[in-house]
Amino acid sequence: GAGVSQTPSNKVTEKGKYVELRCDPISGHTALYWYRQSLGQGPEFLIYFQGTGAADDSGLPNDRFFAVRPEGSVSTLKIQRTERGDSAVYLCASSLMPGNSYEQYFGPGTRLTVT
Amino acid sequence: LAKTTQPISMDSYEGQEVNITCSHNNIATNDYITWYQQFPSQGPRFIIQGYKTKVTNEVASLFIPADRKSSTLSLPRVSLSDTAVYYCLVGSSNTGKLIFGQGTTLQVKP
Repeated sequence: GAGVSQTPSNKVTEKGKYVELRCDPISGHTALYWYRQSLGQGPEFLIYFQGTGAADDSGLPNDRFFAVRPEGSVSTLKIQRTERGDSAVYLCASSLMPGNSYEQYFGPGTRLTVT
Repeated sequence: LAKTTQPISMDSYEGQEVNITCSHNNIATNDYITWYQQFPSQGPRFIIQGYKTKVTNEVASLFIPADRKSSTLSLPRVSLSDTAVYYCLVGSSNTGKLIFGQGTTLQVKP
């Protein structure tokens, strides 16, 4: 079946611009997660949704980062006034239910480059 | 901070069994132990999960001693395609987020 998909696969933007990254989770998965991965590091948690609401946004680095999941399916991660330090691979994952006992299925990621 | 400690890298040869040990001294009663695998330019992929004793599936085994302060991922008869980064994570069923460390980079040689 279809896995988690993310668009675009690559995004190059200039410093100061606004970007949106999209995630399509596996159908029926109630929990959706965003992570950020820098080169040579493990993924870093940003935020996760249970349904339409953000259950934990403790990983968002600052108020330039925002994410929504208005209908409980597709999610968009929004970054305002991008900085070069935002360059990373942004990973999305989904699971049937929240909680570490449930397997998370990851998408291929969006590689964001801020020039 | 990640709650686990594992070797940064390991080398092996095709056909050998590989064991990667992870320390998690402060594991909580509600925590599960989960291993993920990540290939370059891909998202992590779930391998195996356990709570105590031994768990085996079609790709790996997970050994957890009684005190649960460590765990060992065992990959039988590795091939070149098992070259990847392996992450050990602990987390409770009450929290959704996964806390990744740096992982173990396994290099399988011919």
